[in-house]
Amino acid sequence: DAGVTQSPTHLIKTRGQQVTLRCSPKSGHDTVSWYQQALGQGPQFIFQYYEEEERQRGNFPDRFSGHQFPNYSSELNVNALLLGDSALYLCASSRTGVGQPQHFGDGTRLSIL
Amino acid sequence: GQQVMQIPQYQHVQEGEDFTTYCNSSTTLSNIQWYKQRPGGHPVFLIQLVKSGEVKKQKRLTFQFGEAKKNSSLHITATQTTDVGTYFCAGRSDNFNKFYFGSGTKLNVKP
Repeated sequence: DAGVTQSPTHLIKTRGQQVTLRCSPKSGHDTVSWYQQALGQGPQFIFQYYEEEERQRGNFPDRFSGHQFPNYSSELNVNALLLGDSALYLCASSRTGVGQPQHFGDGTRLSIL
Repeated sequence: GQQVMQIPQYQHVQEGEDFTTYCNSSTTLSNIQWYKQRPGGHPVFLIQLVKSGEVKKQKRLTFQFGEAKKNSSLHITATQTTDVGTYFCAGRSDNFNKFYFGSGTKLNVKP
């Protein structure tokens, strides 16, 4: 039973570029949340997708957008990259319903030069 | 906005000593989850607390949810080197599955 898978594992971009990160949820999960984790900090909620729609959003600018596909997989897109966007981006999947445990992927380490 | 504070930031203990991390929210929480993240790894779900004053145990780990549902703690008895990692609390206060993570407590256990 595959857990949450994310790709790529590492990525290096320059300022102003755009990036797309991908996530496949754990089997049986239909809700996907994205988090940004800066070094030494806790994960910060970006947004959550369910039934192919953005259901909740954290305090992130519109440069951060996402998508969920019919097979529940998801993408995170970031436009006009800034140095401060360098972080570990984590995808977490869960079953629908309030307070469900979240299962995290290994993350994508994004470095902006 | 909602904030979840966690202390201490770091804790260094000798193997066999106890360890406690505390989590405080600026707002009343509907529930709180605890996660462990090993160095270089991803957060792994440990437990969820829902009821006011709830106490749950997992072997050497004891989790508590405050009566006012604004604070929580994780206590580890007789730490082992396998306990090394960063422990995060994550609180939810709305009707959706949106969690606010604390900044974590990094535990180092010396053998």
